[in-house]
Amino acid sequence: EDKVVQSPLSLVVHEGDTVTLNCSYEVTNFRSLLWYKQEKKAPTFLFMLTSSGIEKKSGRLSSILDKKELFSILNITATQTGDSAVYLCAVVMGSGGGADGLTFGKGTHLIIQP
Amino acid sequence: DTAVSQTPKYLVTQMGNDKSIKCEQNLGHDTMYWYKQDSKKFLKIMFSYNNKELIINETVPNRFSPKSPDKAHLNLHINSLELGDSAVYFCASSRSGGSKNIQYFGAGTRLSVL
Repeated sequence: EDKVVQSPLSLVVHEGDTVTLNCSYEVTNFRSLLWYKQEKKAPTFLFMLTSSGIEKKSGRLSSILDKKELFSILNITATQTGDSAVYLCAVVMGSGGGADGLTFGKGTHLIIQP
Repeated sequence: DTAVSQTPKYLVTQMGNDKSIKCEQNLGHDTMYWYKQDSKKFLKIMFSYNNKELIINETVPNRFSPKSPDKAHLNLHINSLELGDSAVYFCASSRSGGSKNIQYFGAGTRLSVL
């Protein structure tokens, strides 16, 4: 059975700390891995990763994929209270020619305390 | 302009009723999706729809049926609502094919079945 496992499930840190969120996967026909941030409503896109070892970066957030060990990490440096959210990891599988849904992990609930 | 919009935002109804949720995207995407997020915040794909190709998650009861009048719209019709259908339903859209399967989500419809 295909699965995406995130850890930790919840994390509480203080403002200014650096956090690392983990996502491992065991899926058939892997195509890409995506990270989303979900606050109160819609998940919003952060990164898409398709190749191993290439770091994607956006401000204080960065992510990397290891296709050999089947995992990805999401790093957030100098955390701010606005980073508090559920961070979702999702994997795209399939042939790439049609409508491939995302298989999500259960998310990491990150709380940044002032 | 909202890229992916869903209506209604909230839906409260009695068991046994039939209801529909509407979704529209103005991103020019050719693929649309419905996801269900349960009380534990776990997001799970229900359907994906691309150029008349419908992919159904086999765990979805046949009381749920997606209907797409055109590429910009994918509505979700639910017959004979049950208590367990209470959840937040998210619509998403993307371009199909290749590795560009970045899905953009609507704000969700919170369905409460009483």
